[in-house]
Amino acid sequence: NAGVMQNPRHLVRRRGQEARLRCSPMKGHSHVYWYRQLPEEGLKFMVYLQKENIIDESGMPKERFSAEFPKEGPSILRIQQVVRGDSAAYFCASSQNTRGGTEAFFGQGTRLTVV
Amino acid sequence: GESVGLHLPTLSVQEGDNSIINCAYSNSASDYFIWYKQESGKGPQFIIDIRSNMDKRQGQRVTVLLNKTVKHLSLQIAATQPGDSAVYFCAETQGAQKLVFGQGTRLTINP
Repeated sequence: NAGVMQNPRHLVRRRGQEARLRCSPMKGHSHVYWYRQLPEEGLKFMVYLQKENIIDESGMPKERFSAEFPKEGPSILRIQQVVRGDSAAYFCASSQNTRGGTEAFFGQGTRLTVV
Repeated sequence: GESVGLHLPTLSVQEGDNSIINCAYSNSASDYFIWYKQESGKGPQFIIDIRSNMDKRQGQRVTVLLNKTVKHLSLQIAATQPGDSAVYFCAETQGAQKLVFGQGTRLTINP
């Protein structure tokens, strides 16, 4: 059973370009979370999705950022018109369900560098 | 804002000693807590979890203690090894919602 798969592992974009980060959850998991991490800092929640639904996007900037988790295929975190401040590691986690709290498994992250 | 914080940003211990990493949380309604280990360049790795109806849970070489009265969580690592060097995060969740992470504690094992 493969773990949470994120790609690409490293992504370099010029200012103004678009960045697309992909996350394939573990088999059987229907809940996906995206987190952002700056160097030497903790993980900041961005968005929580279930299949075809955004459950909580309270941590996601209102502009330029969007996320989806379609019925088929990976979850996508999309950043439009990237700026240098978007440079960070973006982690995806998945869980089987969240009733009563269940452990979430993380991918290895995508490190975005905006030049 | 984030509601989980850590008392110490860094901790150095001798190999073979026991380590205690602390975490304070502010949301008294949180009912599920997890400790994660993050090595350089990698994603967080689940270590151990505990629900709010418990005050102690043990795993292999690790123990998590939960004190709901003072909203405090700790991770004890017995007989630390070089491979334990990493950043450790506590995280909390309330009901079926997002995990909120603390700042992290960097654990360094001295030979």
